[in-house]
Amino acid sequence: GAGVSQSPSNKVTEKGKDVELRCDPISGHTALYWYRQSLGQGLEFLIYFQGNSAPDKSGLPSDRFSAERTGGSVSTLTIQRTQQEDSAVYLCASSPSTGTNEKLFFGSGTQLSVL
Amino acid sequence: RKEVEQDPGPFNVPEGATVAFNCTYSNSASQSFFWYRQDCRKEPKLLMSVYSSGNEDGRFTAQLNRASQYISLLIRDSKLSDSATYLCVVTRRGSYIPTFGRGTSLIVHP
Repeated sequence: GAGVSQSPSNKVTEKGKDVELRCDPISGHTALYWYRQSLGQGLEFLIYFQGNSAPDKSGLPSDRFSAERTGGSVSTLTIQRTQQEDSAVYLCASSPSTGTNEKLFFGSGTQLSVL
Repeated sequence: RKEVEQDPGPFNVPEGATVAFNCTYSNSASQSFFWYRQDCRKEPKLLMSVYSSGNEDGRFTAQLNRASQYISLLIRDSKLSDSATYLCVVTRRGSYIPTFGRGTSLIVHP
């Protein structure tokens, strides 16, 4: 596809369940980012990938959160034992290269609701 | 102090008005600056980069003041379609992680 694709667009889950969120970046983009945005709040950085490696995962809020990227393309963010405070929109973005002046292209996000 | 700060607004202006937002950043080693636009319940989209010399794109002008550590966005001749949240984005030198401000809400009314 032409843009960053995220799935599912909406996910409702029960507290304590595990969820997986998927991101398919723009073809050829080597950098991939996960952010989350709670209602009325700014974007909170979670993790950054360069290729398949994650040189910066400092934003992951707890060890319940993990992410991987395979083939330098698709990334999956996994949240184990979800809590109500995990409810937010999870946004994935990709960027063409590793420069520090690169623009981010965002997917439309996954709205996660933990009941 | 937050790394990137913005007045959340909302800024409520009539069509045709000129409006300006500022964004301050705390780290003097910051080197990349952008403005993104986010419509309600949508993803952020790049509006424009901000260069040291200032830059203009149609009705939009962005400026950087390194001495005072702020960037600004000026919108001339506001349109109803300009209603959105405007996010200031800053990246520190040597970092690959863009830091987003919480955004400034703009409402343009008829």
